[in-house]
Amino acid sequence: GESVGLHLPTLSVQEGDNSIINCAYSNSASDYFIWYKQESGKGPQFIIDIRSNMDKRQGQRVTVLLNKTVKHLSLQIAATQPGDSAVYFCAYFDYSNTGKLIFGQGTTLQVKP
Amino acid sequence: GAVVSQHPSRVICKSGTSVKIECRSLDFQATTMFWYRQFPKQSLMLMATSNEGSKATYEQGVEKDKFLINHASLTLSTLTVTSAHPEDSSFYICSVHKMMNTEAFFGQGTRLTVV
Repeated sequence: GESVGLHLPTLSVQEGDNSIINCAYSNSASDYFIWYKQESGKGPQFIIDIRSNMDKRQGQRVTVLLNKTVKHLSLQIAATQPGDSAVYFCAYFDYSNTGKLIFGQGTTLQVKP
Repeated sequence: GAVVSQHPSRVICKSGTSVKIECRSLDFQATTMFWYRQFPKQSLMLMATSNEGSKATYEQGVEKDKFLINHASLTLSTLTVTSAHPEDSSFYICSVHKMMNTEAFFGQGTRLTVV
């Protein structure tokens, strides 16, 4: 079946280190992927996206890597800060059904001071 | 990005009563809005797609008579949880897309607690 899943439910990193959050997807037809950040009690916030014609995209302190061969997506956060502590979700559009957004399970990022 | 306003942010209601949650698209007209439910430490699960001027499309397993959706204008969709029970307690979130195949913008979410 179609699914988007995350490898690790919780990631704990030291402040200043780099963080890598992973995501595996199974729908080979997916061509647009998004990373969201959700802080406690709030709605998801867009971080960065990538389309399937790219394998890397960089933003401010964040980089998304896409490996279509193994259907793997990752989010890299450079110089992780306490404000980065949140749950991170990867998501993709399911074009087979009115373009709804499918979310992965989420990874909790904990930044230790 | 788009600005999506959701109200109320938090509501407590008694079992058996109904609760209405509003989702407003403040800076563009949204023909489609999406409603999600999120239980603690879980991901967002799509409940239904709200379509302006027509019936909502519900995901499998979501009771349409229990979760009433109205999308009467291009800027407002409402979700009414009817005859709420404690198991309906959850975080409800709406979203809009400016265009298909672009990122979704989310409301602040509504924490519903049914006692």
